[in-house]
Amino acid sequence: DAGITQSPRYKITETGRQVTLMCHQTWSHSYMFWYRQDLGHGLRLIYYSAAADITDKGEVPDGYVVSRSKTENFPLTLESATRSQTSVYFCASGYEKLFFGSGTQLSVL
Amino acid sequence: TQLLEQSPQFLSIQEGENLTVYCNSSSVFSSLQWYRQEPGEGPVLLVTVVTGGEVKKLKRLTFQFGDARKDSSLHITAAQTGDTGLYLCAAGGTSYGKLTFGQGTILTVHP
Repeated sequence: DAGITQSPRYKITETGRQVTLMCHQTWSHSYMFWYRQDLGHGLRLIYYSAAADITDKGEVPDGYVVSRSKTENFPLTLESATRSQTSVYFCASGYEKLFFGSGTQLSVL
Repeated sequence: TQLLEQSPQFLSIQEGENLTVYCNSSSVFSSLQWYRQEPGEGPVLLVTVVTGGEVKKLKRLTFQFGDARKDSSLHITAAQTGDTGLYLCAAGGTSYGKLTFGQGTILTVHP
């Protein structure tokens, strides 16, 4: 089915571990985005990508790494997870209209 | 980074009542979007406004963009329980996708 899917839906990890959140879209949208959602902050942009192999930082990029080797995939990696990275992470694709995935709820203990 | 202030943060009303949610900034927006988010799901776009003074209607929802393009409002007429959710405004800069979001308004409509 066409759409944007994120995996896993839930993840519990420990501080210091590396975690990768996956995002896959079937629309062939050029632009893809990673946002995190925290109470009181709304959604904040972590990283975005304008096309395969083109990525750029958003508002809160520290502690995160992204890659985009294929148009349809945009994984987000937490290289050494910290408690402050406990959040709900949303991937989105599109340009004038954004389509969001269902999110990954990440807990860092 | 544009700062968007949404108010109120929480809204609890009875079915049939009217309500308005506000989104304000000291900056001028090139465009403004309203999203609705249900628990466990991502935000879904409701509307995009780009022209100062613009009014758009989506069934019982009316969206207004301020003349100076610094503020916007969402008005719901005769709220229904299905309107319950988190409403987010988001402003675009030079790139639509690089959005700045407001903190959101949690709306609860009681039967």
